[in-house]
Amino acid sequence: KNQVEQSPQSLIILEGKNCTLQCNYTVSPFSNLRWYKQDTGRGPVSLTIMTFSENTKSNGRYTATLDADTKQSSLHITASQLSDSASYICVVSAMVTGGGNKLTFGTGTQLKVEL
Amino acid sequence: NAGVTQTPKFRVLKTGQSMTLLCAQDMNHEYMYWYRQDPGMGLRLIHYSVGEGTTAKGEVPDGYNVSRLKKQNFLLGLESAAPSQTSVYFCASSYDGSYGYTFGSGTRLTVV
Repeated sequence: KNQVEQSPQSLIILEGKNCTLQCNYTVSPFSNLRWYKQDTGRGPVSLTIMTFSENTKSNGRYTATLDADTKQSSLHITASQLSDSASYICVVSAMVTGGGNKLTFGTGTQLKVEL
Repeated sequence: NAGVTQTPKFRVLKTGQSMTLLCAQDMNHEYMYWYRQDPGMGLRLIHYSVGEGTTAKGEVPDGYNVSRLKKQNFLLGLESAAPSQTSVYFCASSYDGSYGYTFGSGTRLTVV
């Protein structure tokens, strides 16, 4: 069964500090791994998408890493801001017969940035 | 530049009532999806469509029906709402189903 596990479940950090969120997965056949940011009351917004051959991808202060051998990914947030307070969701995509992908969603890490 | 628009944003239904959730996208995407998000669980796929006139079941299709009569619209219907269908519903679209997904802002549905 395809699974995506994220840790920690929740995290509180002070503004300006860095943090790293973890994602472990058992999804096959692997197609790509995505990190989404979901603000309260909003839909998920894509931060990064990585394929098998990519092991690092950045989007501003967000840097995602992927180790396809150990099936682990991390999302590093640098110099956190209050607006980073959100749920961060790891999503792993598996290829399906006939085209398209099947997404497996993690339950998210709830990040709160405080003054 | 609307992206994916969902209506309504909030709704309260009584058990047994029916309703339709509308999803509209203006990006000419082929693939459209309906997900539900419940506390402590990842988003789960209800139904999806790979093009106008097509629909297919996802992980949790029971109690829901869908239609894709026009490429830009994907409708999710609840024929007889149950309290277990209380959830936040998200629509998403994708150009080819393999890469970027764009999500709507969600519909919060409560069934009492």
